[in-house]
Amino acid sequence: AQRVTQPEKLLSVFKGAPVELKCNYSYSGSPELFWYVQYSRQRLQLLLRHISRESIKGFTADLNKGETSFHLKKPFAQEEDSAMYYCALSGDTDKLIFGTGTRLQVFP
Amino acid sequence: NAGVTQTPKFRVLKTGQSMTLLCAQDMNHEYMYWYRQDPGMGLRLIHYSVGEGTTAKGEVPDGYNVSRLKKQNFLLGLESAAPSQTSVYFCASSKDMRYGYFGPGTRLTVT
Repeated sequence: AQRVTQPEKLLSVFKGAPVELKCNYSYSGSPELFWYVQYSRQRLQLLLRHISRESIKGFTADLNKGETSFHLKKPFAQEEDSAMYYCALSGDTDKLIFGTGTRLQVFP
Repeated sequence: NAGVTQTPKFRVLKTGQSMTLLCAQDMNHEYMYWYRQDPGMGLRLIHYSVGEGTTAKGEVPDGYNVSRLKKQNFLLGLESAAPSQTSVYFCASSKDMRYGYFGPGTRLTVT
């Protein structure tokens, strides 16, 4: 079965501090992992996907198959990063499964 | 190119009433999904479709039905609404199930 776990409901940091949003997954095959972001009262947007190995808005995420993790990181948080962040997994099935989300609050 | 649109944006229902939510996409995507978003529970998959004329159950399908008569449309029906179905409903579509483009959401309140 596919499962995504985001252990933190809320993460609060000050502007300029490093950020790490945790995501762990459970899947026996080769997963594709994504991070989505939802700004206040807006639709979900794809932030990044692991196969692209890209950096978007200063965020990066590395797939660690040994630890079954896909943590989202940013070295210096900005106030505009405040949002809900969802980790999602797509396996061999047709489903895109989401975690419960982490709310990031960046204080000035 | 409108992407993914949802109708209506808001709705208030009384317990026992029925309604249909419409999702439309103009990207010629094969895959379409309906999710509900609840505080502390994230997004949970209700039903999905891998192509015109097909539907499948997701994580929380009870109390909902869907239809995909046209490739560009995915309908979500509530036959007899219950307060537990108060939620924000998001539709998404994707080309190859790799990742989804989301609609703006429908906020449904059942009293």
